[in-house]
Amino acid sequence: ELKVEQNPLFLSMQEEKNYTIYCNYSTTSDRLYWYRQDPGKSLESLFVLLSNGAVKQEGRLMASLDTKARLSTLHITAAVHDLSATYFCAPEETSGSRLTFGEGTQLTVNP
Amino acid sequence: NAGVTQTPKFRVLKTGQSMTLLCAQDMNHEYMYWYRQDPGMGLRLIHYSVGEGTTAKGEVPDGYNVSRLKKQNFLLGLESAAPSQTSVYFCASSYFSEPQETQYFGPGTRLLVL
Repeated sequence: ELKVEQNPLFLSMQEEKNYTIYCNYSTTSDRLYWYRQDPGKSLESLFVLLSNGAVKQEGRLMASLDTKARLSTLHITAAVHDLSATYFCAPEETSGSRLTFGEGTQLTVNP
Repeated sequence: NAGVTQTPKFRVLKTGQSMTLLCAQDMNHEYMYWYRQDPGMGLRLIHYSVGEGTTAKGEVPDGYNVSRLKKQNFLLGLESAAPSQTSVYFCASSYFSEPQETQYFGPGTRLLVL
């Protein structure tokens, strides 16, 4: 059974600061997805990481995947208030088609 | 192109009542999923379907049933609602043969069971 741990679960940071969210998972997975959820809203896809060493960047967010270490990171550069949301990682089971979600990291960016 | 839609958006049930949540997608996706999200938790998979006429159990299937009679629709049924089923329910869909394609989520259904 695939288990996923995100840390931290809560992150309060100041604007213009950098920080990293970590996503560890327990069994082999070659693909991993990151989602964003605003309060009371649905999930929005951020990144799809398809192989070991994959790195994707969009604006102030950069995600990476190390399948050997079973670790993905979401790095935030020079945070702005608009990035305040909950971020979920979700590795895909090796059988395909199913994702297992982490608990989420609730990010608050303070002015 | 509406994407993934869910009906209803909000519902209050009494314990023991039944209801059906409807998910519809217009993207011709093969795979469809039902998740529940509880406060402070990630999403947990209830049931999923890899094609019309097929369904499979996810992580927390007890108390729920599903049907996928048409490719574009995925129904989630609660036969006898319990307060523990109070949650936000999300439907999602995705392609079968495109791993770079993510799951697309509906807006959610908020269910309160009294």
